[in-house]
Amino acid sequence: SYVLTQPLSLSVAPGRTATITCGGNNIGSKSVQWYRQKSGQAPALLIYYDSDRPSGIPERFSGSNSGNTATLTISRVEVGDEADYYCQLWHSGINQWVFGGGTKLTVL
Amino acid sequence: EVRLVESGGGLVQPGRSLRLSCAASGFSFNDYAMHWVRQAPGKGLEWVSSVNWNSGSMYYGDSVKGRFTISGDSAKRSLYLQMARLRTEDTALYYCVKGYSSYSSDHFDHWGQGTLVTVSS
Repeated sequence: SYVLTQPLSLSVAPGRTATITCGGNNIGSKSVQWYRQKSGQAPALLIYYDSDRPSGIPERFSGSNSGNTATLTISRVEVGDEADYYCQLWHSGINQWVFGGGTKLTVL
Repeated sequence: EVRLVESGGGLVQPGRSLRLSCAASGFSFNDYAMHWVRQAPGKGLEWVSSVNWNSGSMYYGDSVKGRFTISGDSAKRSLYLQMARLRTEDTALYYCVKGYSSYSSDHFDHWGQGTLVTVSS
């Protein structure tokens, strides 16, 4: 199986930059998605194809992917960004979707 | 507007079966891959199954392979998940998810609100 590793939690002050990593073997060769899940809500797509944003997602959210790490960057963090963030990819070698364990972002 | 409404969850004993349904609207059902994702209480997301209508290919996570079956009815615009030999570890909120394209390997762009399955004696 293929494992995606995320930090369990991250705390950031408002206005600062949050960087959430997603580690996986040669993840840079795969297409990574990021989903945001606010408390009590269903997940929602945040970033796709490593760095593309769906309509309605602010430019403060950006993604990158290289080597063994994909990264979600949230600039000028707001209190409303508090949520769980999950990375995801399709592993064609095993024909399975894989999610990272999720990172809880706290804004304080 | 895309809408996905799950149903069929509930309390079921270990070893029994249950079928989840997902009513889809707001898009051409046959033109998009569909998926099931679950989330155990207080835990992260776990992919369960995907279907590519064009190729007829179905894919399953290791923990449900051989026990769960994904299917659909285009006339009813509905996705199903037949779950057999349920285990306590299958307890979770099950989300119906729409794919971005017809390819099951493409990302997920819309999620339902989920239906809760509790497996307990």
